[in-house]
Amino acid sequence: DAGVTQSPTHLIKTRGQQVTLRCSPKSGHDTVSWYQQALGQGPQFIFQYYEEEERQRGNFPDRFSGHQFPNYSSELNVNALLLGDSALYLCASSPGLAGVTDTQYFGPGTRLTVL
Amino acid sequence: AQKITQTQPGMFVQEKEAVTLDCTYDTSDPSYGLFWYKQPSSGEMIFLIYQGSYDQQNATEGRYSLNFQKARKSANLVISASQLGDSAMYFCAMKYGNEKLTFGTGTRLTIIP
Repeated sequence: DAGVTQSPTHLIKTRGQQVTLRCSPKSGHDTVSWYQQALGQGPQFIFQYYEEEERQRGNFPDRFSGHQFPNYSSELNVNALLLGDSALYLCASSPGLAGVTDTQYFGPGTRLTVL
Repeated sequence: AQKITQTQPGMFVQEKEAVTLDCTYDTSDPSYGLFWYKQPSSGEMIFLIYQGSYDQQNATEGRYSLNFQKARKSANLVISASQLGDSAMYFCAMKYGNEKLTFGTGTRLTIIP
């Protein structure tokens, strides 16, 4: 049973560039959430996708956008990169909008460095 | 707004001893879920244990148990018989409804041989 996978593992970009991160959910899961984890902090929620639509969004600017495909995989796009966007980006999947019992399972993350 | 507080930035524990990691939370919603995750240096968040706000008994998963005190809004993680592989960051998190997971700042646990 494949878990959540993310690509790439590491990425180095310069300020002003654009980046796309990818995530494939755990088998049987159709909901994908993205989190940003700055060094030394807990993850912060970016947004969640279900049925190819953005269902919830955290306090992140419009430079952060996403997409979910019919096979439930997802992309996170960040435009006009800033130094402060350097972080570990975590993708989590869960089996639908099941509420409080809905356990999210995380991938290994993509570490983004902006120079 | 939901808030999770983890007051122990770091802990050192002797191998084979039990350890308790503290977590308090704040929410006005009666229905919520509490989660603990382990994050090794590799970065992946590993799900450990879940407790629902309406659960009458404390959750247990192998060597992990959750000491849930609802009136005190406390959800401490207890690891019995600690092992060297338990060294990692530990995060407490909460969610209600279909909402996002809100994480605490984490506790870095180091197991000493």
